[in-house]
Amino acid sequence: DAGVIQSPRHEVTEMGQEVTLRCKPISGHDYLFWYRQTMMRGLELLIYFNNNVPIDDSGMPEDRFSAKMPNASFSTLKIQPSEPRDSAVYFCASTTYRDLEGDTQYFGPGTRLTVL
Amino acid sequence: KQEVTQIPAALSVPEGENLVLNCSFTDSAIYNLQWFRQDPGKGLTSLLLIQSSQREQTSGRLNASLDKSSGRSTLYIAASQPGDSATYLCAVVGGSEKLVFGKGMKLTVNP
Repeated sequence: DAGVIQSPRHEVTEMGQEVTLRCKPISGHDYLFWYRQTMMRGLELLIYFNNNVPIDDSGMPEDRFSAKMPNASFSTLKIQPSEPRDSAVYFCASTTYRDLEGDTQYFGPGTRLTVL
Repeated sequence: KQEVTQIPAALSVPEGENLVLNCSFTDSAIYNLQWFRQDPGKGLTSLLLIQSSQREQTSGRLNASLDKSSGRSTLYIAASQPGDSATYLCAVVGGSEKLVFGKGMKLTVNP
């Protein structure tokens, strides 16, 4: 398996522009997570899906952020309009929970977003 | 709200030393605890996962222990090598499927 695939790997945009980040989870995984990593705040969960349904979006910072999972093999995280403080590395991860105690999450390489 | 703490934030050691990395968490009601490694500019790689019913896990030169009642975990690295240089993150899964991460510890092993 190719692992979790994210695109683009790097994105530089200007304030006010729309940004769309993409993720393809590992085939067969029914959970998908979006994280944001900054020096100040570390790694934070933004939203996660189970069977394509958003379960918890309490980590989404504000209405400018939205995420979708139209099918089991694709998810997007959109920021509109983008602001300089959105600059961070955004990670996607997937897993399947075979039992109550769970399994590890498999992370993609991340998208480094810079908003000028 | 679960909080995960890793102290110190950075550590620099000479090659060959045995290391102990510490992780503490505030809510002992966890399903599992995981240790990840992150190399610069890369994603996270899972090193070890300890289920709540387990006390420790071992993989090669790595050994992770879990003490749920005291809210602590340690990652032991034997005979450290320059290739072990990376940021190590601890994370727990609690009452939901969400991972809560510490801020990580940046390890530098000097040849």
